[in-house]
Order: sequence, then structure tokens, then C-alpha cells
Amino acid sequence: GQQLNQSPQSMFIQEGEDVSMNCTSSSIFNTWLWYKQDPGEGPVLLIALYKAGELTSNGRLTAQFGITRKDSFLNISASIPSDVGIYFCAGLYGSARQLTFGSGTQLTVLP
Amino acid sequence: DAGVIQSPRHEVTEMGQEVTLRCKPISGHNSLFWYRQTMMRGLELLIYFNNNVPIDDSGMPEDRFSAKMPNASFSTLKIQPSEPRDSAVYFCASSQLPGRNYGYTFGSGTRLTVV
Repeated sequence: GQQLNQSPQSMFIQEGEDVSMNCTSSSIFNTWLWYKQDPGEGPVLLIALYKAGELTSNGRLTAQFGITRKDSFLNISASIPSDVGIYFCAGLYGSARQLTFGSGTQLTVLP
Repeated sequence: DAGVIQSPRHEVTEMGQEVTLRCKPISGHNSLFWYRQTMMRGLELLIYFNNNVPIDDSGMPEDRFSAKMPNASFSTLKIQPSEPRDSAVYFCASSQLPGRNYGYTFGSGTRLTVV
């Protein structure tokens, strides 16, 4: 199946700093989604992107659907302790109905 | 809506025993997915159903794993016999496909430990 390369694998940042993470693929994706997983819970959808170039915000979170349709990034501004968790990108390509998930970015916010 | 409901939240069992994980999807969703999450392999899709019919079970590790969806509001994932390497968190997710929003809604997961 298709693979999504998500980076970085983990991040340690100070509270108040901005964060950026991204996903890339060798294939064209039609939809990009970003999820967050809190410890002991399932992933929760943060942002969904449906068009190349689309830039969408959800509070302090901003995500973009890359122009080439092969990448997406997620930015978190002014990080706070509750931002801690694993962030996953996910994408839908071709006629597939199953999402392909990235390997996740583990975010730690230091006080 | 109560969201996707999974039970049990935690399961500890001995090697060789049968394990059954349960899932109640969101009412009105027509697609249901079973995932397994481990540190080494991340999120792996095991099987997905559309309108209660299994569409893709290529991710099911081996014959010890089986999944059923007898109706639109219930699904089970069974492991028989269980092995220590099956220890993982198992997630169920549901969605309405096709649709504008392809976001899956995940349950809180079942943490399985096989000793």
C-alpha cells in the first residue's frame, strides 16, 4: 500500500514555542487529515483538507494541503502543556476508501 | 451521541486463551474499521466493513484473528488462540463513506495484554 513519511518522529519543545510537523508521500493524495491522540485514548480528528493549496485553521492549529498533493504540514502556535500527545497525519489516495496513516509525531511540551 | 464504544478497556489473558473485543459504532455510520497500535508498527488496519460486509481483511495477521459485524450496531474482533505478540491496543473506528468528511471517529481502544 501507499506510505506516508511523517517527521519528526518526536519533538521536545518549551511551552510557548511554535511547532511544525509534516507528512510526505511519493503518491498523490486526495484528502489529508490530521489527528491527535492523547495518552490512553483513540485518535481525534483535528483538521481535514480536501483541496491542493488549502490552508485551514482550528484555533492555534493550522494545516495545509501541499500544492503537489504529495505533502501536508501541521503547525501549532504558542504551545501549551495540553498539546502533549501523538499527532498523526492520514491521507486518502485514488479510489481507496481506507485512510493511510503516518507513523506519528510524539510531542512533549516542557514547562 | 456517545461516540464509538469499545469494550473491555483493558484485557489481560493467558497465552492460548480466546479473546473477544467488542465495538459499537456511531449510529448511522456505514463503515467500521479495526486497527491495532503498537510502538513498533504504529497504527495498522486489520479489517474494514462497509454496510456490515467485510471489504478488506488483508491486514488480519493470520487465521487466529477473525472479525464479524452481524448488524450495523455491533462488531467483534476475536483472537483464538491468543499469543504474547498479540499484546497491543486495538481500536475500532467508524465513518460514513463515501462522504465529504472522511474523518474516522475512533473509540478509546482496548489494551490487550497476553501473558
